[in-house]
Amino acid sequence: QKEVEQNSGPLSVPEGAIASLNCTYSDRGSQSFFWYRQYSGKSPELIMSIYSNGDKEDGRFTAQLNKASQYVSLLIRDSQPSDSATYLCAVNSPAAGNKLTFGGGTRVLVKP
Amino acid sequence: GAVVSQHPSRVICKSGTSVKIECRSLDFQATTMFWYRQFPKKSLMLMATSNEGSKATYEQGVEKDKFLINHASLTLSTLTVTSAHPEDSSFYICSARVSGGSNQPQHFGDGTRLSIL
Repeated sequence: QKEVEQNSGPLSVPEGAIASLNCTYSDRGSQSFFWYRQYSGKSPELIMSIYSNGDKEDGRFTAQLNKASQYVSLLIRDSQPSDSATYLCAVNSPAAGNKLTFGGGTRVLVKP
Repeated sequence: GAVVSQHPSRVICKSGTSVKIECRSLDFQATTMFWYRQFPKKSLMLMATSNEGSKATYEQGVEKDKFLINHASLTLSTLTVTSAHPEDSSFYICSARVSGGSNQPQHFGDGTRLSIL
């Protein structure tokens, strides 16, 4: 079992719709969770961080965390073509020496 | 805020050359920096953790004599790929973690695309 799992996609979303990305993790001791966006050929860019159960909203992005289910998600509202990228879920894992463990990423395609 | 600068952005050189990559945190101090490698369409692979003033911690399978890391100040870490060969060609990305504990996010540099001929 991978430590951080994401559906690789591609997730195809019409412009203006909501994109929903999911991530599960294996280390129950994890306390901090991050979503990064990575455009092709570029480095990752931090979008959201979340530490507590529930929802956290920042502009068009909402992160949701459920530690009991070991599940973190990202919603992108009013999706734009510029949101087309790979979204990486990253989990700070005490079991891995407090290093970030990345999922394989979900590729999102927003179609005009 | 939390800007990380990485140079050079692209390097093309002959086999056997040593290549030095710099990673700087521009507007914050970073006691810990990280070096990653990424192959096309793959996720990030952590190579080593760089701690200011101490030796870097390398991940399993990463040759420390091949990939030399120096973290001489709170704002600068360098990665030197020694005697590079074509199999070392990859996208190398550094990140810096804001001080305040391991729960703080990492911020990434723009990456260095290394091509060894």
